[in-house]
Amino acid sequence: QVQLQESGPGLVKPSQTLSLTCSVSGGSVSSGNYYWNWIRQPAGKGPEWIGRIYTNGGAGYNPSLRDRVTISLDTSNNQFSLKMNSLTAADTAMYYCTREGRGAYWGQGTLVTVSS
Amino acid sequence: QTVVTQEPSLTVSPGGTVTLTCASSTGAVTSGHYPYWFQQKPGQVPRTLIYDTDNRHSWTPARFSGSLVGAKAVLTLSGVQPEDEAEYYCLLLCDGVRVFGGGTKLTVL
Repeated sequence: QVQLQESGPGLVKPSQTLSLTCSVSGGSVSSGNYYWNWIRQPAGKGPEWIGRIYTNGGAGYNPSLRDRVTISLDTSNNQFSLKMNSLTAADTAMYYCTREGRGAYWGQGTLVTVSS
Repeated sequence: QTVVTQEPSLTVSPGGTVTLTCASSTGAVTSGHYPYWFQQKPGQVPRTLIYDTDNRHSWTPARFSGSLVGAKAVLTLSGVQPEDEAEYYCLLLCDGVRVFGGGTKLTVL
């Protein structure tokens, strides 16, 4: 069964760039016709879809975040990543990576706090 | 951007049946929206219950079922258990963009 694990800095300063990685085991990010998603959830609020990348590398983003976000595949390390720039306090949230396709598998999430 | 709407809250008695709905601001929800349903309990990671309208994950109890009714995606819980008290979110694919609903807080009492 596929497993996903997010990693990255827990604390980022305002205006800086966030870089998160999702390590995948039990499956390959470059095969199987899956979408690899990033989703975030501020404390006490519902989830927000950030974007996703397909196994062929094609990506799609939330229109409200598109200008600040890039999702990419790292096939050599079987990972995919999220970069989000110009961070503000409003970006403080739990960040999850998921695999979508014939179901959805979630990582455990990583808390990102934006604060000086 | 599309707005996806769910009932903010519902209450059901143990053993009862409850229906949660998921509507799109742009029109009827169809199988082409590839509806997902997730359950989230406090402090936990969301758990996928239903994908592509009506498919259960291997871990999804049979009392959970997904369907399309009228213009909406629907999650039906039959024979509700106390442990089903949780927040439920739907997720739709709208013009190539995934959009979450605001969630339904289900209370069992």
